[in-house]
Amino acid sequence: DAGVIQSPRHEVTEMGQEVTLRCKPISGHDYLFWYRQTMMRGLELLIYFNNNVPIDDSGMPEDRFSAKMPNASFSTLKIQPSEPRDSAVYFCASSLWGRYTEAFFGQGTRLTVV
Amino acid sequence: DQQVKQNSPSLSVQEGRISILNCDYTNSMFDYFLWYKKYPAEGPTFLISISSIKDKNEDGRFTVFLNKSAKHLSLHIVPSQPGDSAVYFCAASVPQSGNTPLVFGKGTRLSVIA
Repeated sequence: DAGVIQSPRHEVTEMGQEVTLRCKPISGHDYLFWYRQTMMRGLELLIYFNNNVPIDDSGMPEDRFSAKMPNASFSTLKIQPSEPRDSAVYFCASSLWGRYTEAFFGQGTRLTVV
Repeated sequence: DQQVKQNSPSLSVQEGRISILNCDYTNSMFDYFLWYKKYPAEGPTFLISISSIKDKNEDGRFTVFLNKSAKHLSLHIVPSQPGDSAVYFCAASVPQSGNTPLVFGKGTRLSVIA
């Protein structure tokens, strides 16, 4: 398997624009997680899905953030409108069901909002 | 409030010596602990884990120790190699009927000097 695939790897956009980040989880994995990495807060969970259903989105910082998982092989994280403080590295991760399992991360999308 | 704390943002060690990375947690419900390693421009990769029924787990040069009474775990790398230079994240999860998202610390940047 190619692992978790994220696109784009880098995104530079102007404040106010819509940004869409994409993720393809590992085939067969039941769970998908979106994390954001910043210097101040480290790796923080934004939202996670189980079998394509959002389970907990309490980590989504504002209503400007939304995430979808239309099928088992694709998820998007959208920010509309984007702001400079959204600049961070966004990671997608997936895992199998189980109490003692690890999550596998994609390479991340570095977002810069100017 | 940070439930998983890595109080040392950075650590520098000579090649061949032992590296000890520390992690403290506040949530007594955590029962599975993991260490991830992250190189620049890559996603975190799983390194080693330990469940709360153990106090030590070893994998080659890497050993994780868990002290539940102190809510403390540590990662030992012996001997340290230049290729170990990376950011190390401590993570923990709470038991439920299935998966629970990992809660991460802010990371410790390890530099192994040749």
